[in-house]
Amino acid sequence: ETGVTQSPTHLIKTRGQQVTLRCSSQSGHNTVSWYQQALGQGPQFIFQYYREEENGRGNFPPRFSGLQFPNYSSELNVNALELDDSALYLCASGGDRGETQYFGPGTRLLVL
Amino acid sequence: GESVGLHLPTLSVQEGDNSIINCAYSNSASDYFIWYKQESGKGPQFIIDIRSNMDKRQGQRVTVLLNKTVKHLSLQIAATQPGDSAVYFCAETPRSDKLIFGTGTRLQVFP
Repeated sequence: ETGVTQSPTHLIKTRGQQVTLRCSSQSGHNTVSWYQQALGQGPQFIFQYYREEENGRGNFPPRFSGLQFPNYSSELNVNALELDDSALYLCASGGDRGETQYFGPGTRLLVL
Repeated sequence: GESVGLHLPTLSVQEGDNSIINCAYSNSASDYFIWYKQESGKGPQFIIDIRSNMDKRQGQRVTVLLNKTVKHLSLQIAATQPGDSAVYFCAETPRSDKLIFGTGTRLQVFP
């Protein structure tokens, strides 16, 4: 077990809706990253937060946003959902260097 | 560019044999590499890592080899067990904030 938890485990939304996914990092880990994993593919980097500030971003539009809180929890928000947003969303936490990232079990999002 | 795999290559091995999973990484600036194991319905699980100043690192039943000249990583699993069946991803870190994942290889272990 990595000590990283995510909620909910599964979620169904319709196109145009908004969704918030949650992650609880390992205690002491100041870095949290979010990834999107489409079926049959490797995870794709969305963004990383370090001590509550965005620390890097991948090729995702601004409707993907995040928050990190002082209690090692974080959120991924996606606005104006599209069908292609259907995927497994993973959060990963790491130490200050952020390199060794430990993943949670993911939230599977289905957009209809 | 970043590696995206649409078709997962599959490696089938007999229980007890050694497995070798290969990965080509894309960014010559990457200085840290990780192998992850992902079982169905779960998140990626850290297996072993290696930094660019090394060419080999061993763990329990696993060994990672790094060839920077040809940008190639391999994961060797000794005495493969049914519980090793999963998809294996290599990941590289060109900068400290992001991991770039490879295509993934499905390992199937048969008795």
